[in-house]
Amino acid sequence: AQSVTQLDSQVPVFEEAPVELRCNYSSSVSVYLFWYVQYPNQGLQLLLKYLSGSTLVESINGFEAEFNKSQTSFHLRKPSVHISDTAEYFCAAAGGTSYGKLTFGQGTILTVHP
Amino acid sequence: DAGVIQSPRHEVTEMGQEVTLRCKPISGHDYLFWYRQTMMRGLELLIYFNNNVPIDDSGMPEDRFSAKMPNASFSTLKIQPSEPRDSAVYFCASSLQAQRGYEQYFGPGTRLTVT
Repeated sequence: AQSVTQLDSQVPVFEEAPVELRCNYSSSVSVYLFWYVQYPNQGLQLLLKYLSGSTLVESINGFEAEFNKSQTSFHLRKPSVHISDTAEYFCAAAGGTSYGKLTFGQGTILTVHP
Repeated sequence: DAGVIQSPRHEVTEMGQEVTLRCKPISGHDYLFWYRQTMMRGLELLIYFNNNVPIDDSGMPEDRFSAKMPNASFSTLKIQPSEPRDSAVYFCASSLQAQRGYEQYFGPGTRLTVT
């Protein structure tokens, strides 16, 4: 069975500092990987995704994630965060026998302090 | 497209009452998912449908919960009778099988409070 582990439940950082949110997945087959973001009192929104090809994927607001098959990781990074990046971030995976279902991690709450 | 539509956005009800949550997926999508989110348990998948047929309902907490999808544009999640521990935010999401990777699109959620 597929599983997704987000290693940090909460990550506090100061504005303009770099941040990394860690995600590891377990799967013996090809996977599709996603990062979703949930702002307070809102639904989840897709931030970025890896389907195939380049292992580095980027979002429009400066986040990037790198698919590392050997380490089964898909960490999310941003070189300089803003107050507006404060949100909960979910890593998710699909593929193999998931039959259309996404397996979500437990979520990481990113809090950006001024 | 208007995105996934959920109603109501907020529901407050008394213990023992029946609650019905509604979802309209994105037109043309063939998968529909119901999730529940709480502080204690995080995001949980309750049930999902493919072409209106329930595929996996193993996440449904108990018999008080039921879900239906009578057609491709409408689904309901019903709780009868409701209990205070059902208080949560319930999300509906949809996806398109032909879109490789099964990216899901989430609705805004229904915040349910059972007193």
